[in-house]
Amino acid sequence: EIVLTQSPGTLSLSPGERATLSCRTSQSVSSTFLAWYQQKPGQAPRLLIYGASSRATGIPDRFSGSGSGTDFTLTISRLEPEDFAVYYCQQYGSSPFTFGGGTKVEIK
Amino acid sequence: EVQLVQSGAEVKKPGESLKISCKSSGFSFSSYWIGWVRQMPGKGLEWMGIIYPGDSDTRYSPSFQGQVTISADKSISTAYLQWSSLKASDTAMYYCARRTRNYWYLDLWGRGTLVTVSS
Repeated sequence: EIVLTQSPGTLSLSPGERATLSCRTSQSVSSTFLAWYQQKPGQAPRLLIYGASSRATGIPDRFSGSGSGTDFTLTISRLEPEDFAVYYCQQYGSSPFTFGGGTKVEIK
Repeated sequence: EVQLVQSGAEVKKPGESLKISCKSSGFSFSSYWIGWVRQMPGKGLEWMGIIYPGDSDTRYSPSFQGQVTISADKSISTAYLQWSSLKASDTAMYYCARRTRNYWYLDLWGRGTLVTVSS
């Protein structure tokens, strides 16, 4: 089973700042098979990024994904109030299709 | 509207059985894999397993194999997650979600079913 480690656990930032979230995998994952999800309190997760860098339908371009091998990054260029949430990465190259533990982006 | 509608919250006692549902609309249910994801209170997401309603092909995470049963009834576009004997540790939010056509990420999620197991 591939283990995904997200860091930091919590990111305290102000609106307008840049957020950089990390996801490391225990084995190399093809960049085709890495996704990011956003979850707000009391809501279901929402797909943000697939294929490491492709935005899902309706996702603003302030969200971007990058990375390869075992190191992946989600960047939010300028935080909007609605972006404060928990973010999860997921690998879907090898079953079971595991998730990371999440990074909470909170208002500073 | 393309959506997954999950059944309502459940409160059960340890040892009881339970079957929760996830009904699709707006897309061809038989042509998409439907997965289940657990989220324990205050915790992260755990991939449980997935089913292809077209032929009932089902895959489980090793962590959940033998602990739950995933099924589907394509005649009513509904997937199910069931337990034969609940434990307190099954208390969680359970989400169903649709896999995309070609890859194993999840592009459409239900709102979740909260299952509480308490004596």
